[in-house]
Amino acid sequence: GEDVEQSLFLSVREGDSSVINCTYTDSSSTYLYWYKQEPGAGLQLLTYIFSNMDMKQDQRLTVLLNKKDKHLSLRIADTQTGDSAIYFCAERATSGTYKYIFGTGTRLKVLA
Amino acid sequence: DAGVIQSPRHEVTEMGQEVTLRCKPISGHNSLFWYRQTMMRGLELLIYFNNNVPIDDSGMPEDRFSAKMPNASFSTLKIQPSEPRDSAVYFCASSLGGGMNTEAFFGQGTRLTVV
Repeated sequence: GEDVEQSLFLSVREGDSSVINCTYTDSSSTYLYWYKQEPGAGLQLLTYIFSNMDMKQDQRLTVLLNKKDKHLSLRIADTQTGDSAIYFCAERATSGTYKYIFGTGTRLKVLA
Repeated sequence: DAGVIQSPRHEVTEMGQEVTLRCKPISGHNSLFWYRQTMMRGLELLIYFNNNVPIDDSGMPEDRFSAKMPNASFSTLKIQPSEPRDSAVYFCASSLGGGMNTEAFFGQGTRLTVV
């Protein structure tokens, strides 16, 4: 079945890079997303990648995809205190039910 | 568009009472999702509608939970009777359906506390 796994916590110092990891199980063509949730708010899309891509860069964000290992990572360069939040990885098939399956979320804490 | 609108933002109720959560998706979106977020289980998909029809309700915990989507602009999630273990934040999300890359837009959530 579908399953998306993430580590629960990550702590980094301001100015360092953060790397948040995710593994997924669906081997069919899929879109993979990174969402950010700030305290008391809903989830907001940060970036996405299609499964035929290896990398995507968007300003401070770099997404790396290892399709063979079904491993996705999100790198945040020059991490700021405002980046403290919960980060969710999600996958969505391009056929079938099209539902979004989310990981448990990684709580990122940025230390000043 | 104002985005996905959920109401109420907060709900406190006593065990055994009926609770109804409401969602208005983004106009033009034809897929709607109800999620439940807890510290222990993370973000769980409860049910998913496409064109107002329930497609996958395998995540609905038990018969106490029911969801409806009478039209394209409104959905409800009902818990009857409610129990303390139902306490969580419930999110509604909507998106354009189909196989294209589409973002799921989330509402602000309803924080439910059952005492």
